[in-house]
Amino acid sequence: GENVEQHPSTLSVQEGDSAVIKCTYSDSASNYFPWYKQELGKRPQLIIDIRSNVGEKKDQRIAVTLNKTAKHFSLHITETQPEDSAVYFCAAHMRFGAGTRLTVKP
Amino acid sequence: NAGVTQTPKFQVLKTGQSMTLQCAQDMNHNSMYWYRQDPGMGLRLIYYSASEGTTDKGEVPNGYNVSRLNKREFSLRLESAAPSQTSVYFCASSGWDRVLGEQFFGPGTRLTVL
Repeated sequence: GENVEQHPSTLSVQEGDSAVIKCTYSDSASNYFPWYKQELGKRPQLIIDIRSNVGEKKDQRIAVTLNKTAKHFSLHITETQPEDSAVYFCAAHMRFGAGTRLTVKP
Repeated sequence: NAGVTQTPKFQVLKTGQSMTLQCAQDMNHNSMYWYRQDPGMGLRLIYYSASEGTTDKGEVPNGYNVSRLNKREFSLRLESAAPSQTSVYFCASSGWDRVLGEQFFGPGTRLTVL
């Protein structure tokens, strides 16, 4: 089955800096890669996703890049704001990464 | 639209007791999922249902059973609760099969087994 590894487990940045979270997966048949944001005590919500026929996707301050050859995909958040503080999860084929706790310091 | 709803929000059980977690969605989605979330371990799939009348095991199915009652409802049953089942349980639904598209999550059920 699929195995998803996510790094780092915690990330602390200053407001305005960029944050990058990386995930690797094992099943080369996986072709849909979402990122979810979970605020404290809330449910996970999709923030961006990418399919295997695309290498990069952007939505305002967030972007996702995919390298199918290396089997990894990354979440990029630019100009971070305190409200970006949350836990972020990547996923592939019904397997989630362990999560990254992002803290944005004002 | 209520989206995905779950009941109860909180539950405390004693070891050996049974209970059923209820989930319903009003988005006409075919696929529904049950996950558990433990600190530092992300979301782990317990069971999923690709369509009404079908269910399949996920990553951690032991100790659980599910029922896809109809297209809207997908319940999770713990027959004999154990402390290791203390967790937050999320139900999710998707308009795509096998999570090839966005999942919509319910608010979660926080379960404590003493």
